[in-house]
Amino acid sequence: QVQLVQSGAEVKKPGSSVKVSCKATGGIFSSYTFTWVRQAPGQGLEWMGEISPLFAITNYAQRFQGRVTLTADESTSTAYMELSSLRSDDTAVYYCAKSSLTVALNWFDPWGQGTLVTVSS
Amino acid sequence: EIVLTQSPGTLSLSPGERATLSCRASQSVSSNYLAWYQQKPGQAPRLLVYGVSNRPTGISDRFSGSGSGTDFTLTISRLEPEDFAVYYCQQYGSSPDVTFGQGTKLEIK
Repeated sequence: QVQLVQSGAEVKKPGSSVKVSCKATGGIFSSYTFTWVRQAPGQGLEWMGEISPLFAITNYAQRFQGRVTLTADESTSTAYMELSSLRSDDTAVYYCAKSSLTVALNWFDPWGQGTLVTVSS
Repeated sequence: EIVLTQSPGTLSLSPGERATLSCRASQSVSSNYLAWYQQKPGQAPRLLVYGVSNRPTGISDRFSGSGSGTDFTLTISRLEPEDFAVYYCQQYGSSPDVTFGQGTKLEIK
């Protein structure tokens, strides 16, 4: 079964960018779809986007269009989420999870442990 | 966008009791593509139920999901101490634009 391990916490200045990694162990990396979800402190879950390395497809939530870039490196079995033009309200825990391009199978399981990104001047 | 509204916001119960959590959608969820997740403090969410009523391997049968259309329920029979957490519903029928409910906190009374 696939396990997802994310990179460590980050502290960033407003206006800068952050890149969070999500390394998959077990299974066939390119066959998976990876989704990214964030959770602001004390708040709920917010879907950001998804990437399928196999089909070279990315889908982004409208509110993050133009600010988020999802990529994947098959050679290291790692998915990445880069968020630019950071603001204080981007402070959140960012999660990766395995999902699916097939609508009927698009629940999220498993999840990475989460990466706290703090945006502060 | 399909908006999911969970109720109650907080549910206070004692171990051994039965919990009933509600998730209502602003429009019908396509093919009942609805999931439930459990999240404990400092942890990532964990999938409990998918497709309204299916449990992944390893999830206790004390957790059961039901419903259709716009009204869905997660029931936890015989609450154990480890069940006290926050629960989220998620619809994925409008994939890729999935949405989550705002969560129900299940706390010990």
